[in-house]
Amino acid sequence: KAGVTQTPRYLIKTRGQQVTLSCSPISGHRSVSWYQQTPGQGLQFLFEYFSETQRNKGNFPGRFSGRQFSNSRSEMNVSTLELGDSALYLCASSLEVGLAFTYEQYFGPGTRLTVT
Amino acid sequence: EDKVVQSPLSLVVHEGDTVTLNCSYEVTNFRSLLWYKQEKKAPTFLFMLTSSGIEKKSGRLSSILDKKELFSILNITATQTGDSAVYLCAARLATNAGKSTFGDGTTLTVKP
Repeated sequence: KAGVTQTPRYLIKTRGQQVTLSCSPISGHRSVSWYQQTPGQGLQFLFEYFSETQRNKGNFPGRFSGRQFSNSRSEMNVSTLELGDSALYLCASSLEVGLAFTYEQYFGPGTRLTVT
Repeated sequence: EDKVVQSPLSLVVHEGDTVTLNCSYEVTNFRSLLWYKQEKKAPTFLFMLTSSGIEKKSGRLSSILDKKELFSILNITATQTGDSAVYLCAARLATNAGKSTFGDGTTLTVKP
């Protein structure tokens, strides 16, 4: 079974631009979560989608948004990029059934975003 | 505020040693505790623990959860240089969100 895939793997953008990252979960997984990882802040939760609905959101500004499609693929968008947005963006999928939340999450390889 | 604290922050051992990594958590609506290993890439899943006192084992790695005292430990026996990594634990909530709160990780270095 193929793992979680993320595209692109690396990205360089300049301040003020916007960026869209993509995540394809493991086949059959309906829950996709996004995380930002930086050396100073560790892994920070961005948001989680299930069946095309955002179920929860972390403490990030409104410049960070996302969506999920009917095939469970998810995109994350960051508008008006700032230098501090440079990070590894990880998505994780899990096999959730309703509100069980007992299934483990599997991470994709991440997208390394550098903002100059 | 939900919080997950790992200790120690870093650890240096020699091959063959046994190590114990700690993870304590303070979260509302706790559902499960997850352990991950992260080398120079994305975290890879190790264990998920939902019940107290039941040890999960995979080769030289094992983990157990204490829901009364709100902590988990990850044991690695007969360590090898390939075990060198950052070990992350995360508390997953039971709310209608499944949000995971991660600790800062323990950096384990295994010397030959």
